[in-house]
Amino acid sequence: DTAVSQTPKYLVTQMGNDKSIKCEQNLGHDTMYWYKQDSKKFLKIMFSYNNKELIINETVPNRFSPKSPDKAHLNLHINSLELGDSAVYFCASSRVTANTEAFFGQGTRLTVV
Amino acid sequence: SQQGEEDPQALSIQEGENATMNCSYKTSINNLQWYRQNSGRGLVHLILIRSNEREKHSGRLRVTLDTSKKSSSLLITASRAADTASYFCATDANSGNTPLVFGKGTRLSVIA
Repeated sequence: DTAVSQTPKYLVTQMGNDKSIKCEQNLGHDTMYWYKQDSKKFLKIMFSYNNKELIINETVPNRFSPKSPDKAHLNLHINSLELGDSAVYFCASSRVTANTEAFFGQGTRLTVV
Repeated sequence: SQQGEEDPQALSIQEGENATMNCSYKTSINNLQWYRQNSGRGLVHLILIRSNEREKHSGRLRVTLDTSKKSSSLLITASRAADTASYFCATDANSGNTPLVFGKGTRLSVIA
């Protein structure tokens, strides 16, 4: 069973469209994250959700909005897609305890044309 | 801003050799972690070292941490072609409520 799964794996869309990426974890973790990895492989935190509450938003444009219907899901909605949004987006989860690792999904490669 | 900075950015070695990657960070940490990313895949946790630890081993991996220099190193001994991947250090500044902050990564190529 996949611990953290995200869909789709690949997403190609035109500028201006609205799209969503889904993420689910079956680890019973309390905290979920979205990271963006750009073409230079930099990984940057976008959002962090703990018990359905957004606890960190790292100056991400408000075109990006996380939606958490329950503790096991954290979906990413992106409105009015721009060329610069092209990247690989990773969902991750972890426990809310000290000294614990994060578990990552396989990533969603978003290409905006 | 990026917390960790890996060094070197890219490393190419022969199978059987040892690979050493370094990571420097800027602020106080609770722990430091190393992750591996195979091409086109997600990140996989390798090892975690707490701020009060100086060295840790896991199989062919050896991690050191020097909090006075704000640096860590990852040593992979007797490398294999399957070790080819990008390696990232990540710092955890707090207990549970803050996300990991990743460095830029080191691209390791192990030539058979």
